[in-house]
Amino acid sequence: EIVMTQSPATLSVSPGERATLSCRASQSVSSNLAWYQQKPGQAPRLLIYGASTRATGIPARFSGSGSGTEFTLTISSLQSEDFAVYYCQQYNNWPTFGQGTKLEIK
Amino acid sequence: QITLKESGPTLVKPTQTLTLTCTFSGFSLSTSGVGVGWIRQPPGKALEWLALIYWNDDKRYSPSLKSRLTITKDTSKNQVVLTMTNMDPVDTATYYCAHIPIFGVSPYYWGQGTLVTVSS
Repeated sequence: EIVMTQSPATLSVSPGERATLSCRASQSVSSNLAWYQQKPGQAPRLLIYGASTRATGIPARFSGSGSGTEFTLTISSLQSEDFAVYYCQQYNNWPTFGQGTKLEIK
Repeated sequence: QITLKESGPTLVKPTQTLTLTCTFSGFSLSTSGVGVGWIRQPPGKALEWLALIYWNDDKRYSPSLKSRLTITKDTSKNQVVLTMTNMDPVDTATYYCAHIPIFGVSPYYWGQGTLVTVSS
């Protein structure tokens, strides 16, 4: 089973600033990587799939990059609604999630 | 518009079998490439994939839970059923079902989730 490791566990950023979240796979997953946003009491929301393709309706301030084992989610200018928990998930083999990064207001 | 909704018991006793139903609309599980999956999330913890079933009845299971899981589909009813045997308090979680698109296991459409508590 592929282990996904996200860093940092918690990220404190001020509104308007850039946030960079990292995700590492224990073996190559090619570009079969998705990012989700989850707010309390809600189901996850797909942001990015194929490592860099924004899902329908996702604002352009969200961008994904990387391939193989190293991936990044960048939020270019944080809005108040962006503070949430973010998960990466690979689907190259049996799908597995990372443990999440909590993005909190600084 | 695609929607999914989970249903089942909110409380089960240890050692019992859990049966959850995902009822969906807006797509057919007879469409080539499409699937439905189950994911769970213990309170305050990360998400975990449990099982997948595809249009052609291909079934996949979490390697660590495979012996306890069964997933089936009823295409005529637009339903997918997940059973999990020998429930334990550590299985307390919100259980979600999700639509699996053709291009890979990265669902855009999710159910609202159902909290299942395992307690005597």
